[in-house]
Amino acid sequence: EADIYQTPRYLVIGTGKKITLECSQTMGHDKMYWYQQDPGMELHLIHYSYGVNSTEKGDLSSESTVSRIRTEHFPLTLESARPSHTSQYLCASSRPGGSYNEQFFGPGTRLTVL
Amino acid sequence: QQQVKQSPQSLIVQKGGIPIINCAYENTAFDYFPWYQQFPGKGPALLIAIRPDVSEKKEGRFTISFNKSAKQFSLHIMDSQPGDSATYFCAASKGAQKLVFGQGTRLTINP
Repeated sequence: EADIYQTPRYLVIGTGKKITLECSQTMGHDKMYWYQQDPGMELHLIHYSYGVNSTEKGDLSSESTVSRIRTEHFPLTLESARPSHTSQYLCASSRPGGSYNEQFFGPGTRLTVL
Repeated sequence: QQQVKQSPQSLIVQKGGIPIINCAYENTAFDYFPWYQQFPGKGPALLIAIRPDVSEKKEGRFTISFNKSAKQFSLHIMDSQPGDSATYFCAASKGAQKLVFGQGTRLTINP
């Protein structure tokens, strides 16, 4: 089982603040992903990365940005948080070299923007 | 847009019953079909997965049935328990490409 860590687990913040959601994994996975999910609802891919210095936008448009400077670390940043950004953010990763995408998820960050 | 359509959206079953969740896909190039289980406040966890070279896979009380010609696959939970109450997601991918997820099914097992 992969070890994927997300911090903070819960964040309540005011409108206009800059926030960074942290995601790290210790399994050496090259592929990492960010999903946005409203409670119990669909998973929407917002960003992914296939390796260091590689980032791509996902299927759902997002005002957030990501970076991948180190293999194990894939932070997501919102420059100016708004109430519409209130959601759960899930980070995931998958192992290199596989013939299929066995993806593992972190516990998520529940973001509330007031 | 490559899609995976999942049904039903919600399902209530009595303890010991066999809930069945269905998924249909469009892209015949998909060759990996996992199911994820998500409890409230947690991230999804990989439950069971199947490749298209077999029609059925069992792991404990969980079974995937796969129908390649119909482009459908389903999850069956035998002897369901209240602890199985969760949201279930099917997904599909081609090779190591990113997963395409279904819309999710909220399953409730009543005692």
